[in-house]
Amino acid sequence: KQEVTQIPAALSVPEGENLVLNCSFTDSAIYNLQWFRQDPGKGLTSLLLIQSSQREQTSGRLNASLDKSSGRSTLYIAASQPGDSATYLCAVITGANNLFFGTGTRLTVIP
Amino acid sequence: KAGVTQTPRYLIKTRGQQVTLSCSPISGHRSVSWYQQTPGQGLQFLFEYFSETQRNKGNFPGRFSGRQFSNSRSEMNVSTLELGDSALYLCASSSEGGRGNTIYFGEGSWLTVV
Repeated sequence: KQEVTQIPAALSVPEGENLVLNCSFTDSAIYNLQWFRQDPGKGLTSLLLIQSSQREQTSGRLNASLDKSSGRSTLYIAASQPGDSATYLCAVITGANNLFFGTGTRLTVIP
Repeated sequence: KAGVTQTPRYLIKTRGQQVTLSCSPISGHRSVSWYQQTPGQGLQFLFEYFSETQRNKGNFPGRFSGRQFSNSRSEMNVSTLELGDSALYLCASSSEGGRGNTIYFGEGSWLTVV
């Protein structure tokens, strides 16, 4: 069974700092990987989708990489802002066409 | 373009009752999936519907069921509610399903069972 792990579980950084969130998965037979953010009491907002054949995707200050063979993905956030404070979740999609979510990283950006 | 809409947003039910949650996907999306989110278990996949057919199912008891209508709107039903069913229920839609397509989530329905 696919297992997705995110480290660290929580992270606090001062505003302006660059940071990296990690995601690992046990079964490399994935179709793609998607990063989401979730604000308290809200649904999930899609950030980036990386196809299994891709190595990375970028959107604004966000850059996500994927190393399928090693079962790892990273989300890089440049020049962090207080508005980036949220829980970040990664999810992988397998042949069964359902998402397996990680446990999330709760990010706090301190002004 | 409207996003994924879920109703109701909040509801309180008593143990033993049943509940129906509704989800309207993004226009043109044919895949709708449901997830349960709890502090202890995180996000867990319930089931996925595509063109009115259940295509995939997670590891939940038969009390959890769903359906999809011809306009792609979906409902999920939980019968004989238990305290442990208290959770945020999230609906997600995509054009063809998760493979290769971005998945979009609604704001969720908060269910409290007392």
